[in-house]
Amino acid sequence: RKEVEQDPGPFNVPEGATVAFNCTYSNSASQSFFWYRQDCRKEPKLLMSVYSSGNEDGRFTAQLNRASQYISLLIRDSKLSDSATYLCVGPKGGTSYGKLTFGQGTILTVHP
Amino acid sequence: DTGVSQDPRHKITKRGQNVTFRCDPISEHNRLYWYRQTLGQGPEFLTYFQNEAQLEKSRLLSDRFSAERPKGSFSTLEIQRTEQGDSAMYLCASSLVGGEGYEQYFGPGTRLTVT
Repeated sequence: RKEVEQDPGPFNVPEGATVAFNCTYSNSASQSFFWYRQDCRKEPKLLMSVYSSGNEDGRFTAQLNRASQYISLLIRDSKLSDSATYLCVGPKGGTSYGKLTFGQGTILTVHP
Repeated sequence: DTGVSQDPRHKITKRGQNVTFRCDPISEHNRLYWYRQTLGQGPEFLTYFQNEAQLEKSRLLSDRFSAERPKGSFSTLEIQRTEQGDSAMYLCASSLVGGEGYEQYFGPGTRLTVT
């Protein structure tokens, strides 16, 4: 079983829509998670860190549910520029301060 | 630009040749990571360094792969006797352990094509 799993989508939404991605993790010892955004043929860029129950940054909200072992990312008022692949990321092997394990990525397309 | 840099950005090589990639991390970061990403998949961990010490190597890293970080600054990843299955994007990331968090920041990657 992969350490981090997410629905690959694709998600196609109109501008202004609210969209949510879910991600599950297998290692209950994992403490911290990240959401990265990756544009086509570019490197992953850090979007949000999730160290406790959740984090909010403008239109983006990330939540961590330790009991159910899932992380979510909510994007409100979607923009065309939000179109990208969103990667759910956790600590590989449940360790902190070290290597990361990535989900497959969820593809989002925001259309006019 | 003070981000992570990688060189070259693209490399096309013939099967059996050796290739070497370079990564320059963010200057104050003490950890450096190498990942590999193939189409449609998330990056996979290969190896990482804290300062000049290589702390861990993934099982994905066969004997043909070697990585160094001789002075705790830049790192090189060498692939000997390349195979077509080595074709991928090789990503380098760096982080600062001991700060407020341990977020990793990625370089632009080196895209390797083995023909």
